[in-house]
Amino acid sequence: DQQVKQNSPSLSVQEGRISILNCDYTNSMFDYFLWYKKYPAEGPTFLISISSIKDKNEDGRFTVFLNKSAKHLSLHIVPSQPGDSAVYFCAASAPSTLGRLYFGRGTQLTVWP
Amino acid sequence: DTGVSQNPRHKITKRGQNVTFRCDPISEHNRLYWYRQTLGQGPEFLTYFQNEAQLEKSRLLSDRFSAERPKGSFSTLEIQRTEQGDSAMYLCASSLGTTGYEQYFGPGTRLTVT
Repeated sequence: DQQVKQNSPSLSVQEGRISILNCDYTNSMFDYFLWYKKYPAEGPTFLISISSIKDKNEDGRFTVFLNKSAKHLSLHIVPSQPGDSAVYFCAASAPSTLGRLYFGRGTQLTVWP
Repeated sequence: DTGVSQNPRHKITKRGQNVTFRCDPISEHNRLYWYRQTLGQGPEFLTYFQNEAQLEKSRLLSDRFSAERPKGSFSTLEIQRTEQGDSAMYLCASSLGTTGYEQYFGPGTRLTVT
């Protein structure tokens, strides 16, 4: 069963605009959420994370929002740049899982000039 | 370069052969994870070590799979009697258990079973 879901397999955005990537989860025990970026032939690269005690975390152009009641999080990239083109994975973890991460299937972001 | 390294990067083997992959984590990280990723999917958890102790194994890890982390340093993942369904990217990640859940991944080993 897929406990972390990314329902949009792809997103295309013009350079300079905002990219919004969405993620839903089903396990209410998840208390920590992460976004990873992955280029072809490379491993996932950690991007940003958020604890369930917060509803927003910002790092430069990247902001993650968490809505616990809706079991939904989103990653905002502003402004989007062509170098942001990659597959973005949402991941979640729970205290009982010893740090094991549950991943969504990813969203391919394409930023065009 | 002090990141996570994995060797080999690519492995092509015939069905029925045994293969072994190596992962060298970030040196001060005490936690080490193995994941498997197939096309169109996110990484799926296989197993986890804290120092040299293997603390959890996924149901995905059949009896043909074994992992070790001697002395709590590098780790190896062995697949015996490979099957075509084992073809995937095998990812290793490490983390410092006391500072949160962030895991840092290596570049992966791409396994192709023919």
